[in-house]
Amino acid sequence: EVQLVESGGGLVKPGGSLRLSCAASGFTFSSYTMTWVRQAPGKGLEWVSSISSSGTYIYYADSVKGRFTISRDNAKNSLYLQMNSLRAEDTAVYYCARDRGPVPGMGDDAFDIWGQGTMVTVSS
Amino acid sequence: QSVLTQPPSASGTPGQRVTISCSGSSSNVETNTVKWYQQFPGTAPKLLIFGNDQRPSGVPDRFSGSKSGTSASLAISGLQSEDEADYYCAAWDDSLNGYVFGTGTQVTVL
Repeated sequence: EVQLVESGGGLVKPGGSLRLSCAASGFTFSSYTMTWVRQAPGKGLEWVSSISSSGTYIYYADSVKGRFTISRDNAKNSLYLQMNSLRAEDTAVYYCARDRGPVPGMGDDAFDIWGQGTMVTVSS
Repeated sequence: QSVLTQPPSASGTPGQRVTISCSGSSSNVETNTVKWYQQFPGTAPKLLIFGNDQRPSGVPDRFSGSKSGTSASLAISGLQSEDEADYYCAAWDDSLNGYVFGTGTQVTVL
């Protein structure tokens, strides 16, 4: 079964750090671009970051650039999001998603598999 | 940042056709493919349409997508009660070098 499972969410104080993980199974992880998308409580979807299959291409939303770092370990079938200098506005459910396109923004790209999400709450 | 504009809500009675618009610009919708996602409360989004008008396996043909210039649309034909959900469009933005989502549309079946 194709599956993505996020972990690592929780409560953190403003200025703190958190590392999210996404474990993939049921497909050849190393062949796909992977993405993080977040959704603040009661709000819409917001793209956070994408990384190409080999890690060559990495993109960030302006709202997280310089604070968040996306990475992947193809040997462990895992995607990560290191989040530093967290702010209250980073509070959201964070989803990892598989991108069916080879490179972010190219080809028939679309997020075709999603994890269940992990909640991150930034509050003092 | 939501740079794709959608109506906040849409509604119809069972069996009706409902259309949701997605307005973008030359850097996103016009030059890149549009995708549509369906989301029920408390659950992860699900891919409905990719490549402007392509349905993934398992998505009913009641759902159809189209694009013209800087705008795209999702149509739901033969509306059913289980279609009550939030719908989001998305596209890659060449200026932002990232994906942008629409503001989201809540569909209600009357």
